Amino acid sequence: GAGVSQSPSNKVTEKGKDVELRCDPISGHTALYWYRQSLGQGLEFLIYFQGNSAPDKSGLPSDRFSAERTGGSVSTLTIQRTQQEDSAVYLCASSLVGGRANTGELFFGEGSRLTVL
Amino acid sequence: AQSVAQPEDQVNVAEGNPLTVKCTYSVSGNPYLFWYVQYPNRGLQFLLKYITGDNLVKGSYGFEAEFNKSQTSFHLKKPSALVSDSALYFCAVRDPYSGAGSYQLTFGKGTKLSVIP
Repeated sequence: GAGVSQSPSNKVTEKGKDVELRCDPISGHTALYWYRQSLGQGLEFLIYFQGNSAPDKSGLPSDRFSAERTGGSVSTLTIQRTQQEDSAVYLCASSLVGGRANTGELFFGEGSRLTVL
Repeated sequence: AQSVAQPEDQVNVAEGNPLTVKCTYSVSGNPYLFWYVQYPNRGLQFLLKYITGDNLVKGSYGFEAEFNKSQTSFHLKKPSALVSDSALYFCAVRDPYSGAGSYQLTFGKGTKLSVIP
């Protein structure tokens, strides 16, 4: 499709299990973002990829969280040893360019809703 | 550091009446400002942006927003509300000259708009 695609749309897991969330950005978009949306907390920045540059991981809440972007396209967010406080909607977004040149909007996927029991 | 405040968690308005959703921001330089809308169980959709130029910007679905530098505000407005406008609205800011964080979009916590028939 033409938009940002995220999978799975819903994931229920048990505490302590690992989960992987996938994001397929819009073709040609060089910048990719992960955000976390918790109830009443707005959107929390997690990580940013721009082209071949080293990602900005400053928003990752703990070392249980990691992300990679292969071939400058698809990205995977991995949460190890999930905790109940990890329950949230994880949103991926992409944009055509990154950095200071980006005056445009981010295009968001519909999110992956993670529930940790 | 950049930040955004949306002082109202919820705004209720009667259908046909004008609506305003408030947003104030804090950045060290000149901001890029954005409004996004989120319908239930969907990702965020771009509504409008202010980069430079006219303080009044027009966007999708009849929405507009006014950039007020002296009051550091970027309130979202619509002359006549529709029931279909009921959704969660997010204000966001970037400071493109903030160095390493210049690509980050910082979001407010969101305002739930309910338009009453």
